[in-house]
Parts: sequence; C-alpha cells; structure tokens
Amino acid sequence: AQSVTQPDIHITVSEGASLELRCNYSYGATPYLFWYVQSPGQGLQLLLKYFSGDTLVQGIKGFEAEFKRSQSSFNLRKPSVHWSDAAEYFCAVDGGRGATNKLIFGTGTLLAVQP
Amino acid sequence: GAVVSQHPSWVICKSGTSVKIECRSLDFQATTMFWYRQFPKQSLMLMATSNEGSKATYEQGVEKDKFLINHASLTLSTLTVTSAHPEDSSFYICSAPDSLRDYGYTFGSGTRLTVV
Repeated sequence: AQSVTQPDIHITVSEGASLELRCNYSYGATPYLFWYVQSPGQGLQLLLKYFSGDTLVQGIKGFEAEFKRSQSSFNLRKPSVHWSDAAEYFCAVDGGRGATNKLIFGTGTLLAVQP
Repeated sequence: GAVVSQHPSWVICKSGTSVKIECRSLDFQATTMFWYRQFPKQSLMLMATSNEGSKATYEQGVEKDKFLINHASLTLSTLTVTSAHPEDSSFYICSAPDSLRDYGYTFGSGTRLTVV
C-alpha cells in the first residue's frame, strides 16, 4: 500500500537558517509527489510538485525539493527561512495514479521559526 | 489559477442537528471532489470521493449515512454531516483535481465544525 512518512513532527529553526523537511514514500511505481503548506485554520497551499524529469523541483516562496528514487525520498528545502514560513508542511503522494487520483498525506511537520 | 471556494469557514451546531458544507469550483469544472477530515495536529484523512452525477465513493470506516455527499453539478459538491455529535467536531477540507495547472489539486480553505 502507498504511504508517506514525515519523520519529524516538529522542527524549530532560527530565522535566516536553512531548512530541510524530510519525506519518504512507499509506492510501487513512479510517484507523483507534492508538498503543501497549511497555516492555522486554513486550507492547503501547493508549494511544489514532482511528476517526472528534473529531480530538483523549484516551488513558490523560495522552496525546492529533490526527488531521490534510490532513497524513496522527496525532501523539502529552503536556504533561508523567514518568520512567515512558520506553518505545517505536508508531503503527499498521488496514491491512485490512473485510477482514483487521490492524495495520501504524511502526518505533517510543524515548523516553528524563532527570531 | 483554479479556486475552490468552501463555505462556511466555521460553524457551531447543536448535537443532533445537521450541517451542510459547500465547495464550489469558481473557474473550472470539478468533475471530482475529494473530502478530507483533519483532527487537531494530525494529517488529512480522505473521507470520500465524489463524482458529478454519480454516487460518492467512501473510504473504509467512513459512515456514508452520516456523511452525505452530493455532487449535483460540475461546480458544486456538498458534504452534510447528519445528526452531528461532538465527536464529529473537526476540520473538513475539500479538494478538486486542477486540470488548469498541469495536474495537481486545489484545496478549499476548510470548515471548522464544532458540535456542542
């Protein structure tokens, strides 16, 4: 069965520091991978997605993610974190490609940014 | 880009009453709508998938008589929580495949339901 694991429940970084949020997936074929951000009480905003091609994907707000098939990972990175980046981040995989096209989400990583 | 408008943003209701949540696709046709439920500090769990003009498909463990889903048009899907109880209190989010943006999903802003 498809699954997504985000090992870090909660991460705190200093403003201006670099950030890496981990995501590992289990999927039998080439996955479609997504990173979403959610502010408190809000819906989800797409940061970036990977379908195929270049394994380094650029997203909005200065985020990027790298797909590593050998490690079944799709880690999210940002070179310099801003206070406004504090939010919850979800990694997701398209669990039904060609069938139901439904997203399977990881448990999320809550990012806190300290001054 | 594609927008899914979800209403209400929050609602408080009494136990035993029913609550309807609407999701509208504003600038595209949503033939499919996914409904998620999110408990505090947890991830999104898919409840059901609705398809325009047909019955919704519910995930295992989701009571279809409790969570009524209707997708009567290409721009509107509704979730009705019937005979609500405090344990139904949660954050509900809808999502539609976004064909305008080269695949991907557009999410509504969510509905915070509190049953008292």
